[in-house]
Amino acid sequence: DVKVTQSSRYLVKRTGEKVFLECVQDMDHENMFWYRQDPGLGLRLIYFSYDVKMKEKGDIPEGYSVSREKKERFSLILESASTNQTSMYLCASSLSRQGAYEQYFGPGTRLTVT
Amino acid sequence: GESVGLHLPTLSVQEGDNSIINCAYSNSASDYFIWYKQESGKGPQFIIDIRSNMDKRQGQRVTVLLNKTVKHLSLQIAATQPGDSAVYFCAENPFGNEKLTFGTGTRLTIIP
Repeated sequence: DVKVTQSSRYLVKRTGEKVFLECVQDMDHENMFWYRQDPGLGLRLIYFSYDVKMKEKGDIPEGYSVSREKKERFSLILESASTNQTSMYLCASSLSRQGAYEQYFGPGTRLTVT
Repeated sequence: GESVGLHLPTLSVQEGDNSIINCAYSNSASDYFIWYKQESGKGPQFIIDIRSNMDKRQGQRVTVLLNKTVKHLSLQIAATQPGDSAVYFCAENPFGNEKLTFGTGTRLTIIP
C-alpha cells in the first residue's frame, strides 16, 4: 500500500512565524502535490513537483514556497504565516504514468494561525 | 437519492438504498476522471477512476458513469452502509496530465 505521511496532524502558529510542513511518501512516486482544503472551496493546488528540485506553481501559490531535495520528501513553507492561511493542508503523491493519474493523500495537517 | 455537485452538497440516503452522487465537470479536454472519499479527520481516499474512452466502470459496490456529451460524471454506491458516510469528491485532469482539478464535494449521510 502507498503510504503518505505528514509531519503533524495539528499545528498552531503565530502570525509572522515561518512554518514548515513536511510530507514523505514511500512508493518512489515522481509527482508530489500540496493542496489546501477549505469549507466550500474543495481542494486547491498550491504547488506540485514532478521530480527532485523541480516545482511548478499551482492555483494559489502566493505566500507559499516548496522544497524537494529528495524524491520521497516534499516540504511546504509558509515564509510568514498569516491568519488567512489557517486551513487543512493535504499532501499527495502519484506515479508518472500516462493515462492513470490517481493521487494518494496523506492524513492532512490542520494549521491554525493566530 | 441523487445530488448535483455544487447545487446540493448534502445527500441523505437510507441504509441499504443505492446512492447516486453527481458531478458536472468543466473541461471537455479532460481524459481522466476520479472519485475520492474523505472521511472525517482523514485525507481523501481513492475509490474508482475512469478514462474518457469508457462510459462505465465498476468496482466493488461502486459504479462510475461518464457522459461526455453533457460533461457529467456520477458515482453509484450500491446498498449503502453506515461506513459510506463521508464527503465524496470528483476530479478531472483538464490539462491532460497528472494535475487534477477537484470538485467541492458532496456530503453523504446514511440514515439508519
